Amino acid sequence: AQTVTQSQPEMSVQEAETVTLSCTYDTSESDYYLFWYKQPPSRQMILVIRQEAYKQQNATENRFSVNFQKAAKSFSLKISDSQLGDAAMYFCAYRRKTGTASKLTFGTGTRLQVTL
Amino acid sequence: GAVVSQHPSRVICKSGTSVKIECRSLDFQATTMFWYRQFPKKSLMLMATSNEGSKATYEQGVEKDKFLINHASLTLSTLTVTSAHPEDSSFYICSARGTSGVYNEQFFGPGTRLTVL
Repeated sequence: AQTVTQSQPEMSVQEAETVTLSCTYDTSESDYYLFWYKQPPSRQMILVIRQEAYKQQNATENRFSVNFQKAAKSFSLKISDSQLGDAAMYFCAYRRKTGTASKLTFGTGTRLQVTL
Repeated sequence: GAVVSQHPSRVICKSGTSVKIECRSLDFQATTMFWYRQFPKKSLMLMATSNEGSKATYEQGVEKDKFLINHASLTLSTLTVTSAHPEDSSFYICSARGTSGVYNEQFFGPGTRLTVL
C-alpha cells in the first residue's frame, strides 16, 4: 500500500521569506501523480500544484514550486515570497495513474503559519 | 474551473435521526465521487468511492449500512448518515472527478459540518 509521510506537523515563515515543506512517499508504481493541497481555515481544499512522476522537470505555479526526487521518493513544496494568505494546512498526496477509481492518499499535513 | 458544491454546509441533528448530505458537480460530469471524513486538525480519511450507477466501494472499517452513499447521476452523489450518534459528529467532504482533460483532477466540495446532539 502507498503511504505518504509529512514529518513537519507545523512550520512558520516570515512574510516575504521562503519556506519548504517536506513530503516523502512509498510506492512500487513507476508512474503516478503527486499533489500538494492547501486547506485554509475555511476548510476548502485547494489544489496548489501537481507533478507527474514520468516528468523530470519540477512543476511550478507562480510562487509555488516542487523539488521532485523520484529515486528518493521525495516531493517537497517551496513557497517563495510568503504571504499572509498562505497560512493554512498543507497536505501532500499521492495517486496512482491507472484506474478510474484510483484514489488520493494524503499525508498527515503541515500547518504553516505566516508571521509579520 | 470545476466547481463542486455541498449542501448543507452545517447541520445539527438529534441522536437517532438520519441526515443526508448532497454533493454536486456544477460544471462537469463526475464519473467518480469520493467521500471523506476529517477530524479537527487531522488529515482527510477516505470513507468510500462511488462510480455513477454503481454501488459504492467502502474503505475498511467504514460501516456501509450506516453511511449510505448513492451516486445516481453524473452530477449528484449523496451521503446519508443513518441513525446518527454523537460520535458521527465530524466534517464531511466530498470530491468529484471526471474522465477527461482538466476534469480528470479531483475537485473538492466546501465540506459539511455535522453535529449530532
